[in-house]
Amino acid sequence: DAKTTQPTSMDCAEGRAANLPCNHSTISGNEYVYWYRQIHSQGPQYIIHGLKNNETNEMASLIITEDRKSSTLILPHATLRDTAVYYCIVRVGNYGQNFVFGPGTRLSVLP
Amino acid sequence: ETGVTQTPRHLVMGMTNKKSLKCEQHLGHNAMYWYKQSAKKPLELMFVYNFKEQTENNSVPSRFSPECPNSSHLFLHLHTLQPEDSALYLCASSQDPQGALNTEAFFGQGTRLTVV
Repeated sequence: DAKTTQPTSMDCAEGRAANLPCNHSTISGNEYVYWYRQIHSQGPQYIIHGLKNNETNEMASLIITEDRKSSTLILPHATLRDTAVYYCIVRVGNYGQNFVFGPGTRLSVLP
Repeated sequence: ETGVTQTPRHLVMGMTNKKSLKCEQHLGHNAMYWYKQSAKKPLELMFVYNFKEQTENNSVPSRFSPECPNSSHLFLHLHTLQPEDSALYLCASSQDPQGALNTEAFFGQGTRLTVV
């Protein structure tokens, strides 16, 4: 089972920041938080990951709370092409080898 | 382009057929994964291979048979499938997860399988 919970769906106006929350209250000290997105019927696309410090790349920013029990993915200027299902993942398995996907958040960017 | 290539992209097969899905990566990764995604459902992890050894089998029916001849190639052999096996089958690869948890996985574009 996935170790994360996310809202089922969210809307965001084009050009505005999209803030996608994720809860991972059972995360262990050495486990990373990963974010992927899946645009209709394509393979999931890696976005970003982090451990405890905030991270930023050309796609997004990741804000992790100090207690590491939750995080937020920020798309600073959402476009229509950002409409997708966004998955927050904490790896599971005896060696932390498995990327287990939950239902994710369906983000709709509206014109 | 993620560096993970799956073939074919689309496959239609009868319930008595035998077919194989292929996945190839040239990223230098040594862990490979098969996922199944049925319509409007999350991805389901099927198999995990690490250094060519199967490390995970999530109670997948025996009509699905994986093969990992080397760290760059992964196959999923299919035989006597059912219509409910119709789905998007996705392959992914990553660095050795036992060596470092700080390694992302990259996914192929998937094979859309229809069983008739």
